[in-house]
Amino acid sequence: GQSLEQPSEVTAVEGAIVQMNCTYQTSGFYGLSWYQQHDGGAPTFLSYNALDGLEETGRFSSFLSRSDSYGYLLLQELQMKDSASYFCAVTYGNKLVFGAGTILRVKS
Amino acid sequence: GAGVSQSPSNKVTEKGKDVELRCDPISGHTALYWYRQSLGQGLEFLIYFQGNSAPDKSGLPSDRFSAERTGGSVSTLTIQRTQQEDSAVYLCASTELHTGTGELFFGEGSRLTVL
Repeated sequence: GQSLEQPSEVTAVEGAIVQMNCTYQTSGFYGLSWYQQHDGGAPTFLSYNALDGLEETGRFSSFLSRSDSYGYLLLQELQMKDSASYFCAVTYGNKLVFGAGTILRVKS
Repeated sequence: GAGVSQSPSNKVTEKGKDVELRCDPISGHTALYWYRQSLGQGLEFLIYFQGNSAPDKSGLPSDRFSAERTGGSVSTLTIQRTQQEDSAVYLCASTELHTGTGELFFGEGSRLTVL
């Protein structure tokens, strides 16, 4: 089966940089995605890594290393509105398999 | 519509009753997914539709759960004889063709509470 591990919670200060990790025990997946979900809201897509390396979209960057079975989401210039849950997911066959998510708390 | 629409947004039911949850995907999206999210947990895959057919039903937790999709658009998830452990947020997502870009468009979910 597919298994993704994420830290349950991360706290950081407004303006700082935070890295949220995702390790997995699976193979044969097409890529690694990241989603953001605010309390009571819909998960929204942030980024996708089909290949190893770094993908950058504004303040968000995502990294994948298949050889290390590891990925991360990097958020720069943290803002209070970034407080949310962040999920990694692997594309496996025709579906996405999600990790349990990391709650990010941004303090002023 | 502009996004994925789900109804009802909240449903409270008694144990043993049947419930139906509805999903209106983004127009033109052929792939449709149902996920379940329990409090503080990740998203658990339930079923995937491509058009009106469901090539992957592997996530349905029991035969009390069923889903259908008609006209390549609206989908209904039915839970029969609800149990307290069915309490969760049921999320629907759609995408244009398949998950090649890793991007699904989610609705805000139907929160089900079974008393």
